[in-house]
Amino acid sequence: GQNIDQPTEMTATEGAIVQINCTYQTSGFNGLFWYQQHAGEAPTFLSYNVLDGLEEKGRFSSFLSRSKGYSYLLLKELQMKDSASYLCAVPNDYKLSFGAGTTVTVRA
Amino acid sequence: DGGITQSPKYLFRKEGQNVTLSCEQNLNHDAMYWYRQDPGQGLRLIYYSQIVNDFQKGDIAEGYSVSREKKESFPLTVTSAQKNPTAFYLCASSSWTSGGVTDTQYFGPGTRLTVL
Repeated sequence: GQNIDQPTEMTATEGAIVQINCTYQTSGFNGLFWYQQHAGEAPTFLSYNVLDGLEEKGRFSSFLSRSKGYSYLLLKELQMKDSASYLCAVPNDYKLSFGAGTTVTVRA
Repeated sequence: DGGITQSPKYLFRKEGQNVTLSCEQNLNHDAMYWYRQDPGQGLRLIYYSQIVNDFQKGDIAEGYSVSREKKESFPLTVTSAQKNPTAFYLCASSSWTSGGVTDTQYFGPGTRLTVL
């Protein structure tokens, strides 16, 4: 089975950096996904990590350590539009198991 | 444009009535999924289908039914047996990786169901 943990809420100031951690326990590892979900909308894909290390995509980066069962999503130069919930998810055969999500609030 | 559509966006139902939520995709994905999301909670899997004419129960299938007669379509029926049907329902689709596990899932815009 899957056990995925992430913080419930985080608050940061516009222009700052925020790091959202995700720990997981899986019976077999096949990568880790990060999604962004604005309130009332569908999740949208942000990143997929299958190898250890940091992958950068503009202001967003995602890191994975398979030996530690740990990932983080790094949001740089925060903007008001980054206020959303961020979900980490791991494949479980034909399914995705999602964490409960971290709600990030960006203040002016 | 390829994508996933869900209709309607908002749906109101009286207690005791069945209701069907539509999900259509033109991404040529083999797999489709239905999730339920409650306020402040993560996504919970209701049903999924790996291929046409086949589907499997997810973690919270009781009170729901699905069909997969076409690759593009995966409708979800919320029956009167579902005790707490008011929620945000999301449909998703994906292909498979070479390792045989789900690839990136892409979501439709969702249907918000309210039982009156």
